[in-house]
Amino acid sequence: SAVISQKPSRDICQRGTSLTIQCQVDSQVTMMFWYRQQPGQSLTLIATANQGSEATYESGFVIDKFPISRPNLTFSTLTVSNMSPEDSSIYLCSAGFLDEQFFGPGTRLTVL
Amino acid sequence: AQTVTQSQPEMSVQEAETVTLSCTYDTSESDYYLFWYKQPPSRQMILVIRQEAYKQQNATENRFSVNFQKAAKSFSLKISDSQLGDAAMYFCAYRSAGGGSNYKLTFGKGTLLTVNP
Repeated sequence: SAVISQKPSRDICQRGTSLTIQCQVDSQVTMMFWYRQQPGQSLTLIATANQGSEATYESGFVIDKFPISRPNLTFSTLTVSNMSPEDSSIYLCSAGFLDEQFFGPGTRLTVL
Repeated sequence: AQTVTQSQPEMSVQEAETVTLSCTYDTSESDYYLFWYKQPPSRQMILVIRQEAYKQQNATENRFSVNFQKAAKSFSLKISDSQLGDAAMYFCAYRSAGGGSNYKLTFGKGTLLTVNP
């Protein structure tokens, strides 16, 4: 299995600002993913973080709003840009390891 | 595109009893994986059990077992001898068998399980 940590665990931000969330995996993994979980909802994939190339975004998510970095095989960041209250969610990163995905503890973001 | 449906928003069970959570999915693929994840109030997503579509035998992990019906596209989770620590949101998820972008998971809306002492 893989152990995944995220920072920060939670934050309260003002609208119009940006927040960068960090995701660290304790082993090298090929695939890393970022999900959004809106209050009381299921998980929705934002993008696949590719090492050495641009992230692959799902329909409804764009790079200008959610820029992603993947500088190496153990680390990724997700930035939530120009935030609005609608961005208030839990953001989770995950890593594909063998045939399974393991998740970080999530970052709870509240935008005022 | 694949879809995953969990028709039970909430379920409850008495401690030590058995409960079954339902999940159906829609896909045109013949090879894929199915998962059940548990998300307690701490919000950490925990993998409970997985099933490969090419395997006819139902997966089992201690008190957790699945009933995988490929033709019916059904994948239910049975929790035996329920414990208070089983209380959580349970998500059913689908993943294509291919690599690359097929590695992504498609989740159902979840079932909130309450365990009564």
